[in-house]
Amino acid sequence: KAGVTQTPRYLIKTRGQQVTLSCSPISGHRSVSWYQQTPGQGLQFLFEYFSETQRNKGNFPGRFSGRQFSNSRSEMNVSTLELGDSALYLCASSGELTGELFFGEGSRLTVL
Amino acid sequence: GQSLEQPSEVTAVEGAIVQINCTYQTSGFYGLSWYQQHDGGAPTFLSYNALDGLEETGRFSSFLSRSDSYGYLLLQELQMKDSASYFCAVRDRGSARQLTFGSGTQLTVLP
Repeated sequence: KAGVTQTPRYLIKTRGQQVTLSCSPISGHRSVSWYQQTPGQGLQFLFEYFSETQRNKGNFPGRFSGRQFSNSRSEMNVSTLELGDSALYLCASSGELTGELFFGEGSRLTVL
Repeated sequence: GQSLEQPSEVTAVEGAIVQINCTYQTSGFYGLSWYQQHDGGAPTFLSYNALDGLEETGRFSSFLSRSDSYGYLLLQELQMKDSASYFCAVRDRGSARQLTFGSGTQLTVLP
């Protein structure tokens, strides 16, 4: 079955702009979580959604937001971009009975 | 706060055995996972230990000692394709999807 799909794979934005990233989970998975990966901070948890509800949120400013749709697809949004937001944004889906995370290949955001 | 320590780099030759250690300090603990990530690729799940002891999956094994807040990933019969970054990750709260990751160990396998 198809894996986790993230779009776009690469994007370049300038400071102050906003960006929306999309994630389609594995079919049948209702849980989607987002992580930010940077060389300095590593992999850091952003938020988790299950059945359109945000269950948990990591320690990120309010500029980072997300949502999940009824088909389990998820989007995350970053507003008022800063240089430090340059990172690989990873989406992961998981089934209900296991904690194993299935990651997509990520969206690489560069902020200039 | 939560913190995980793992070596930043490990080098070994093909066919050898390598062990990547991970020590953790977390306010809660439900289990320790290991993920592999090749350059430019997605992290992929390798193993999960919730209880003390050794879990074996093919060439890879993972060990956990909850009393020592310590775990390791053991890779046997190393192959060139095992060159990648390896992350330990702690589930330190109720949600299995909210993991705290270590900074990763870059494994280089030499011919």
